[in-house]
Amino acid sequence: GAVVSQHPSWVICKSGTSVKIECRSLDFQATTMFWYRQFPKQSLMLMATSNEGSKATYEQGVEKDKFLINHASLTLSTLTVTSAHPEDSSFYICSARELTGTSGSFYEQYFGPGTRLTVT
Amino acid sequence: KQEVTQIPAALSVPEGENLVLNCSFTDSAIYNLQWFRQDPGKGLTSLLLIQSSQREQTSGRLNASLDKSSGRSTLYIAASQPGDSATYLCAPQGGSEKLVFGKGTKLTVNP
Repeated sequence: GAVVSQHPSWVICKSGTSVKIECRSLDFQATTMFWYRQFPKQSLMLMATSNEGSKATYEQGVEKDKFLINHASLTLSTLTVTSAHPEDSSFYICSARELTGTSGSFYEQYFGPGTRLTVT
Repeated sequence: KQEVTQIPAALSVPEGENLVLNCSFTDSAIYNLQWFRQDPGKGLTSLLLIQSSQREQTSGRLNASLDKSSGRSTLYIAASQPGDSATYLCAPQGGSEKLVFGKGTKLTVNP
């Protein structure tokens, strides 16, 4: 299957600083990537949909000025957590969708390994 | 708004047992449904994808079925092994192409 990587795998930062997380599709091009957040013992919650060459679409309740998303190429999307606070500490996971099936009939999503963010 | 429920929340079985994980969803207007496994502190690994026109998919010891009209899917694991221990998540995909996740079933297979 397709491979998605994330960098860094974990990061610790001080309150008030900004952190950038990269998501790459390694062996396929992804016009659309997704960013999720997962709190302990909770399910994944979609934060935003990242579209190559255009602005991201944010889910209700997600602050777009705090979580900046840039999808500059068909293989790279970045999430920047600006002015991070302890409540932003979480597990951030990206996914990329690939057109698959016979005749490219549907999309399948592939997930990165996640980034553990701790804000002190 | 799509809501996904997975039952049971946790399951502990001895090695070798066959088991069934259940997933139900409220909006049956889906394109497909994916089953994933998540190991602690890790990302998601795609296990099976069932298109809305299909009733089941098989991969090795895994078999997933889909009853779209009743909003249900099951994941059957045959001859469970300790390496199967993980959290299993189901996620239907609707017209918005977004996946909606349940809280998962945490499976422990004891040697």
